[in-house]
Amino acid sequence: GAGVSQTPSNKVTEKGKYVELRCDPISGHTALYWYRQSLGQGPEFLIYFQGTGAADDSGLPNDRFFAVRPEGSVSTLKIQRTERGDSAVYLCASSATAYPNNEQFFGPGTRLTVL
Amino acid sequence: AQKVTQAQTEISVVEKEDVTLDCVYETRDTTYYLFWYKQPPSGELVFLIRRNSFDEQNEISGRYSWNFQKSTSSFNFTITASQVVDSAVYFCALSPQYGNKLVFGAGTILRVKS
Repeated sequence: GAGVSQTPSNKVTEKGKYVELRCDPISGHTALYWYRQSLGQGPEFLIYFQGTGAADDSGLPNDRFFAVRPEGSVSTLKIQRTERGDSAVYLCASSATAYPNNEQFFGPGTRLTVL
Repeated sequence: AQKVTQAQTEISVVEKEDVTLDCVYETRDTTYYLFWYKQPPSGELVFLIRRNSFDEQNEISGRYSWNFQKSTSSFNFTITASQVVDSAVYFCALSPQYGNKLVFGAGTILRVKS
């Protein structure tokens, strides 16, 4: 079966521009997560969805970051007025349910470079 | 607050050596979950194991084994008879009692040389 997919795999943008990163979770998974991984670091939690609603967005660094999951499947992470410090790999994961012991399946990530 | 510490930044071993990756965690939750993930050069995180805080039994899966010690807040990972294909970054992670966000350590780079 298909795993978690993310598009684009690479995104290069200029400082100040708007970007959208897309995540397609495993079919039937109700929980979806976004993490950010900077070079040499472990992934850092950004936000997670249970169905269509954001259950925890405490990891979003500021109001330039926003994510949606309108139909409870595909999710889009949106970053406004990008800054060089936003450069990182953005990882998406999904799990069958929102229980904390559930395995999260990760996608390949989107490498964002802000020039 | 939750925290995971992987003190070993990088480990190099020669093939067939055993290697242990250390993980120490901090949490005030009485119920929590611990995970290990592998991130090969391709970049995609691969789930290896999950333990809950009630189960301190050690686990073995092939060449992999895990030692969970609540008394020292540690969840160490041992690879026996390492192989070149084990070369990757290994992450230890903690999931709290409530909420689903994984808190990751900084990772340990494992290099296995032939």
